[in-house]
Amino acid sequence: GQSLEQPSEVTAVEGAIVQINCTYQTSGFYGLSWYQQHDGGAPTFLSYNALDGLEETGRFSSFLSRSDSYGYLLLQELQMKDSASYFCAVGGDQLIWGAGTKLIIKP
Amino acid sequence: DSGVTQTPKHLITATGQRVTLRCSPRSGDLSVYWYQQSLDQGLQFLIQYYNGEERAKGNILERFSAQQFPDLHSELNLSSLELGDSALYFCASSPPGQSSYNEQFFGPGTRLTVL
Repeated sequence: GQSLEQPSEVTAVEGAIVQINCTYQTSGFYGLSWYQQHDGGAPTFLSYNALDGLEETGRFSSFLSRSDSYGYLLLQELQMKDSASYFCAVGGDQLIWGAGTKLIIKP
Repeated sequence: DSGVTQTPKHLITATGQRVTLRCSPRSGDLSVYWYQQSLDQGLQFLIQYYNGEERAKGNILERFSAQQFPDLHSELNLSSLELGDSALYFCASSPPGQSSYNEQFFGPGTRLTVL
């Protein structure tokens, strides 16, 4: 079968670092994507990993280990505006979406 | 602004009715995807079209149908509406190319309320 697992909720403090994990099981694999969605808004693309390793884009980094079927999104220097839901999505025969992780940031 | 447009923004209708949601992809994008998101839920993939042809099907009910027209805009038709169909419906598009579906650009969504 095909599945993605990510935590339903993560809490962190403003200015800190937080990691959101994603494990997957799919038939076929092209890459792992991350999206951010603020309440009431549309998902926006953050990053895409097709190869193992770390991809950095400003305060956000994304990591992939294909051998472990595992990836994570790392957010540094957390700001209140980072409070949102974060979805991982795996590209195989089609794009499979995780249920999302709600990130709560406390001052 | 992602460049993907969706109309209408809000739609309120009654059970048993039929509605049509419209989506225009970004210029140059050939793929259109439809998603349903119920309150505080994840994204449920419904269906994908590529250059006018159905490419992939997800958890789309038989009461729902979609098509992509020659100008690449797409419509999602929802019929015999039920209370449980109340949700945000998103359209997304992606550029041509293998695996390009990994980077999708979402429209602002249509909020459907079924009373």
